[in-house]
Amino acid sequence: NAGVTQTPKFQVLKTGQSMTLQCAQDMNHNSMYWYRQDPGMGLRLIYYSASEGTTDKGEVPNGYNVSRLNKREFSLRLESAAPSQTSVYFCASTTQGGYEQYFGPGTRLTVT
Amino acid sequence: DAKTTQPPSMDCAEGRAANLPCNHSTISGNEYVYWYRQIHSQGPQYIIHGLKNNETNEMASLIITEDRKSSTLILPHATLRDTAVYYCIVRDSGTYKYIFGTGTRLKVLA
Repeated sequence: NAGVTQTPKFQVLKTGQSMTLQCAQDMNHNSMYWYRQDPGMGLRLIYYSASEGTTDKGEVPNGYNVSRLNKREFSLRLESAAPSQTSVYFCASTTQGGYEQYFGPGTRLTVT
Repeated sequence: DAKTTQPPSMDCAEGRAANLPCNHSTISGNEYVYWYRQIHSQGPQYIIHGLKNNETNEMASLIITEDRKSSTLILPHATLRDTAVYYCIVRDSGTYKYIFGTGTRLKVLA
């Protein structure tokens, strides 16, 4: 099993550009999450999807949209990137009601 | 906002027990305590969780006070590879939200 995979690993954007971060899991998990981690800080929840077909806002949803494409895939879109969105983005998944979140390796995004 | 308070940093000698405290004074009856760690800039890794009883697994032990307002994660024999940021999280079993705080940066010294 690959676990949780994220693409791309690194990305540099100019202000105003858009992009989609991809996340996939092969563990048949129901719930998926997107977090961001700014330098020297803890993780902050952007959006989550409790199950296929549902999405909900986390702590810091502004400037982002998400799509739960199917049970395996959960994407995060930046419509108009801003320097404040420079961060490391982590995707995670867990079984419904499960206790353990499995994290991907992260996407390091720089917006200039 | 995170519902937990942790010291920003701690040191521990290699081979000794590392005791990481966490305060969660506003915890409610159906909220679990979780511990994760993040080594360097990797994705966080689950360590252990508990509701009210003490818990132990192959990685660590979790001691929760009787009033549940605080807990301690114990790494019984810390190694250099345990150097990481440790996060204590309180989560309601009825929600899918995990709110991470800023954690404790543990440095294991040779």
